[in-house]
Amino acid sequence: LAKTTQPISMDSYEGQEVNITCSHNNIATNDYITWYQQFPSQGPRFIIQGYKTKVTNEVASLFIPADRKSSTLSLPRVSLSDTAVYYCLVGGPNTGGFKTIFGAGTRLFVKA
Amino acid sequence: AAGVIQSPRHLIKEKRETATLKCYPIPRHDTVYWYQQGPGQDPQFLISFYEKMQSDKGSIPDRFSAQQFSDYHSELNMSSLELGDSALYFCASSARTARADTQYFGPGTRLTVL
Repeated sequence: LAKTTQPISMDSYEGQEVNITCSHNNIATNDYITWYQQFPSQGPRFIIQGYKTKVTNEVASLFIPADRKSSTLSLPRVSLSDTAVYYCLVGGPNTGGFKTIFGAGTRLFVKA
Repeated sequence: AAGVIQSPRHLIKEKRETATLKCYPIPRHDTVYWYQQGPGQDPQFLISFYEKMQSDKGSIPDRFSAQQFSDYHSELNMSSLELGDSALYFCASSARTARADTQYFGPGTRLTVL
């Protein structure tokens, strides 16, 4: 399973764009990169997933460079409600089976 | 859209008692995962099942056991409860046939051991 490294915490202000980078140097060929968001006392919520280049949905964008050893979650124009913990996970059904390791996520604080 | 259902949502037990947590995955999802999350901690993987067979084990204590039934729901059985077992327990489900492992989490069961 690929180990991931993220910043422990980040601060931002409402309306700003926030970029959270995750390092995964030993990502395997078949691994996907998935980001989850978690609010206190709630289950993690799927945000976005990608394999390479760029993926965008209604919530966020995910940028993955050609070597795939890192990825950046981009949250456009954050609001107070985006204050949460963000987790980057690397893996897939063909690698590591069904064992998921949550590393230390990034605690994002959005201020007014 | 249907989501993962967990029951009960809250559970209070005494030390050395037993507890059973239930998880009902999203329809047509064949894989179930269990996680434990202590206060201020990140989710810790406990165990997973695919097509009713145990798939992987994480940091699950020997006092815990789990299984997935024919209707794909899963139960986590916890015996000889200890104070340190107090935590949020999440269940997640995914579709094995998907190209990537996207897990959908339930709301969790908050277990308090007194």
